[in-house]
Amino acid sequence: DQQVKQNSPSLSVQEGRISILNCDYTNSMFDYFLWYKKYPAEGPTFLISISSIKDKNEDGRFTVFLNKSAKHLSLHIVPSQPGDSAVYFCAASVPGTYKYIFGTGTRLKVLA
Amino acid sequence: DTGVSQDPRHKITKRGQNVTFRCDPISEHNRLYWYRQTLGQGPEFLTYFQNEAQLEKSRLLSDRFSAERPKGSFSTLEIQRTEQGDSAMYLCASTTGVGTNEKLFFGSGTQLSVL
Repeated sequence: DQQVKQNSPSLSVQEGRISILNCDYTNSMFDYFLWYKKYPAEGPTFLISISSIKDKNEDGRFTVFLNKSAKHLSLHIVPSQPGDSAVYFCAASVPGTYKYIFGTGTRLKVLA
Repeated sequence: DTGVSQDPRHKITKRGQNVTFRCDPISEHNRLYWYRQTLGQGPEFLTYFQNEAQLEKSRLLSDRFSAERPKGSFSTLEIQRTEQGDSAMYLCASTTGVGTNEKLFFGSGTQLSVL
C-alpha cells in the first residue's frame, strides 16, 4: 500500500525552464510534507517542506504547493539548472509518530 | 557539524553471512532512523530511535534484522543470515527538530551486495 505516490518516474526539462514534480498521497491525516533531492551514491538532501496549514512555501528557486482537497503537492523549480538533475522524493510525516513515508521518486534531467 | 556518518560505504558479502553497519548521527540529534532503498524505489522505513529507545520497527522487517543505539549516540544495524533480497542501500538519518521545523539529515548510506 503506497501511501505517497510519485507517478512520473522521469522528467526532462530544458535549462532555464520550469520543472514541476508531482506527488499524491492517500492519507488525509498527513500534516507535514518534505521534498528531498538525491544524487547517485549519496544520501537524500533536504530541499523544502510544507505544513498542511499552508498551501505554498517558497525558498529561492524552489516552491512547494499543497492542495489538501486533492491530496496533491508539487515542487516547482524555476529556472531549472543542469545541477538540478537528480532524483526527487516527496515524503509525508505520519501523524502521531515520528515516521516519514517516501514516494518512489522522480528522476529529473535538466538539459543544457 | 560533520553530518551523519555511515560505515562502511560498501559491503559485499556471501549469502548466509552476518553483516553489521554503523551510523554516527549529528551530535545533538536525539532521533535516529534507518531506511532501506532499492533501485527505482524510495527510502523504505525500517526503524527509529528516540535517544536509546527503539520506538518503532517496520513490520516488513524480519527477525533477521536488529538495530541498537546503546548510549543514545551511534547506532548499529545487523542483518543475520543475509539473503540476496537484502541487497540494497541502507540509509541512516538523524534529526532533533519538532513538527514543522523537523527535517531528516541523511548519511551517504551503506550499499550492501549479497552474492
